[in-house]
Amino acid sequence: GIQVEQSPPDLILQEGANSTLRCNFSDSVNNLQWFHQNPWGQLINLFYIPSGTKQNGRLSATTVATERYSLLYISSSQTTDSGVYFCAVELANDYKLSFGAGTTVTVRA
Amino acid sequence: DTGVSQDPRHKITKRGQNVTFRCDPISEHNRLYWYRQTLGQGPEFLTYFQNEAQLEKSRLLSDRFSAERPKGSFSTLEIQRTEQGDSAMYLCASSRAGLTSGIEQFFGPGTRLTVL
Repeated sequence: GIQVEQSPPDLILQEGANSTLRCNFSDSVNNLQWFHQNPWGQLINLFYIPSGTKQNGRLSATTVATERYSLLYISSSQTTDSGVYFCAVELANDYKLSFGAGTTVTVRA
Repeated sequence: DTGVSQDPRHKITKRGQNVTFRCDPISEHNRLYWYRQTLGQGPEFLTYFQNEAQLEKSRLLSDRFSAERPKGSFSTLEIQRTEQGDSAMYLCASSRAGLTSGIEQFFGPGTRLTVL
């Protein structure tokens, strides 16, 4: 099956800092989603981004499908940004998401 | 606009008991998915439905697991003769059905199962 690798596995930031999370995948995909998992376990949709660039407030994401990677940018981080960020991809005609192991982000005040 | 809902949110059971979870998808979403997440890992696919038809099952779904979506609306996931290894978060997701795959999925809050 498809391999999804996220880096770094852990990230500690000072409030106000910027950061970049990376997701590499091993095959062509027609869906890529970024999620933030809150402390209660719910996956919050951040971006649906099989290709291109999107921005939502302090967060933005870029997927370069031809090179099989996606980046999630967090700017001016806040303590509420803490949690686990997951990248998930879907192969063409596969219908299921394959998740990476996640990046655990800790933002310190 | 209601999201995906799951019930119960938490379930504690003894080894050997049967448990059943329910998922209500976003209205008008005709695809429904079940995933399982163990501590420190990303979610793993279990099975998915398009309307009432169960179209794919993962190897993770042993014969003790059964999922149904009888009228193409809500779904249930039953685990028979639970084992301690079944302890996990069970996540449900839904999406619209398009002509192809690659449709955004939306997740519910999950059911956290603890098997003693």
